[in-house]
Amino acid sequence: GENVEQHPSTLSVQEGDSAVIKCTYSDSASNYFPWYKQELGKGPQLIIDIRSNVGEKKDQRIAVTLNKTAKHFSLHITETQPEDSAVYFCAATWGSQGNLIFGKGTKLSVKP
Amino acid sequence: DTAVSQTPKYLVTQMGNDKSIKCEQNLGHDTMYWYKQDSKKFLKIMFSYNNKELIINETVPNRFSPKSPDKAHLNLHINSLELGDSAVYFCASSQADGGLVGETQYFGPGTRLLVL
Repeated sequence: GENVEQHPSTLSVQEGDSAVIKCTYSDSASNYFPWYKQELGKGPQLIIDIRSNVGEKKDQRIAVTLNKTAKHFSLHITETQPEDSAVYFCAATWGSQGNLIFGKGTKLSVKP
Repeated sequence: DTAVSQTPKYLVTQMGNDKSIKCEQNLGHDTMYWYKQDSKKFLKIMFSYNNKELIINETVPNRFSPKSPDKAHLNLHINSLELGDSAVYFCASSQADGGLVGETQYFGPGTRLLVL
């Protein structure tokens, strides 16, 4: 089955700095890679996603890169702000029905 | 106009009881899911379901059962609750049609279950 590894588990940056979170996956059939942000007491919210036919996608301060050969994908947040502080999860598809296997999460803290 | 809603938000109960969590989505999606998030924040899929197929994560005890009265609802029934069932349970939905193509999943706000 699919296995998704996520690093680091915690990340602390100064406001304005960049943050990078990396994930690897095991199933070469995976075709969809979303990133979710979870704030305290809330459900995960999609922030960006990428499909296997694309190498990079950007949305304002957030970008995701995918290396299918190496089976890894990364989240890049530039010009971090205190409100970016949250737990971030990567995920990869597994099997049918769009099932997702999640990484173990990265707790990002942005210090003002 | 919440897209995916769950009730109750909090559930405190005794060991051995049977309880249900309700989930509704108004997005017109075909597939719904249940996830368990433990105290370490690990998110694990429990079930995925559309009108064609129920897929069960093999690690889920058979005390847990999903029930879908219609396409917009997927409720979670838990029998004989145990201490280890304490967690946050999230419902989600997507437009996935049962094939191999992944689609965005939209999550509900979660149900915090505490078993005493």
